[in-house]
Parts: sequence; structure tokens; C-alpha cells
Amino acid sequence: GQSLEQPSEVTAVEGAIVQINCTYQTSGFYGLSWYQQHDGGAPTFLSYNALDGLEETGRFSSFLSRSDSYGYLLLQELQMKDSASYFCAVKGNTPLVFGKGTRLSVIA
Amino acid sequence: DAGVIQSPRHEVTEMGQEVTLRCKPISGHDYLFWYRQTMMRGLELLIYFNNNVPIDDSGMPEDRFSAKMPNASFSTLKIQPSEPRDSAVYFCASSSDRGGEKLFFGSGTQLSVL
Repeated sequence: GQSLEQPSEVTAVEGAIVQINCTYQTSGFYGLSWYQQHDGGAPTFLSYNALDGLEETGRFSSFLSRSDSYGYLLLQELQMKDSASYFCAVKGNTPLVFGKGTRLSVIA
Repeated sequence: DAGVIQSPRHEVTEMGQEVTLRCKPISGHDYLFWYRQTMMRGLELLIYFNNNVPIDDSGMPEDRFSAKMPNASFSTLKIQPSEPRDSAVYFCASSSDRGGEKLFFGSGTQLSVL
């Protein structure tokens, strides 16, 4: 089967940097995705890592270490609008399986 | 493109009633997924289709749940009879890649079964 672990809540200050970690167990790993979901909204795709290393997209970066079954999402220059839930999702031999999500609160 | 379109946005019904949720995927996407989201269980995959054919329905919780995709532009998820524990947000998502690394989600249907 597949399982993912990520912190349930994180609080950070506006303008700061925050890292959301994700560890996973899966069979037939293909890649790790990250999604953002605002309250009352739908999950929206942020990034996908199939290979080890860091992928950068603007203020957001995502990292993967396949050997450690570990990844993280890095958010820089935090803004109030970044307050949302962030989900890691693993692609194994089945369609995407999502973690329980990390609720990020950005405070002034 | 209008994105994935789901209807209704909100549904309130009484226990025992039939509920039908609808989804129109993004044109050209040949994978369609139904997910359910609750606080306790997070986002759970219920069923997914490829080219209108159900591939894996192992996530469908009970026989009360059924899903169809009669054509490339329409899918339904039906619950009959509905129960209070079915209350959740139901998301439809579509993708153009087999891996489904990048899913496009609809706005969801908030279902409340009283």
C-alpha cells in the first residue's frame, strides 16, 4: 500500500521561509506532487518531482530524495494569501494518493 | 477552457434519498477521477476512468456507490441510498497523462446527508 506523512499544521511569519516535509511509503514509486487548497476551494497543482533534486517555480520550490523516500515544499517570501492547506501526493502503481495535508497559517 | 465543471456545488438531502453528482472533465483529458474529502480521512480516491472505462473502483466504499462515464464529456457519481456518513466534499478531477501527476480538480460538491 501507500502512506504519506506530513505535519498537520505550520505557522510562519509574512515574508519568511517555510518548509513542509513529506515522507512516504509506496510500491512502484514514480514521483511526488504538491497541491495547494484554500478553504472552500479545490486542490490546485503546484509541482511534481520525478527525479532527485530541487525544482523551482517562482517563490515555491519542491525537493525530492528517492533514496530517503522524502520530499519537501519550500515557500519563500511568504504572503498572507499563502495561508492554505498543502498536500503531498505520491504516484506509485495506482493513481495519486494524497497525504492528510499541512495547514499553513501565515501571520503578520 | 472552462476547467472541470461539477454540479451541484451544494447538496443537502435526507438519509435514504438518492444523490447524483455530475462532472464534465476538461476536453481532451482521457482520465477522470472521483475523490472524496473529509477531515478524518483526507482525500480518498473512489474510482477512476480511462477513455470512459472504469479502471479501478476499489475505493468505492460500498455497493451504495456507483459511477458511470457514458461519454468523454460526462460522468456521474450516484449514492443510493444515502447515509449521514456519506457527508463530505466530492471532487472530480481530470488528467491528460496516465500517471496523473497533474490533476485538474473541479470545485467540488459539498454533500450533507441529514
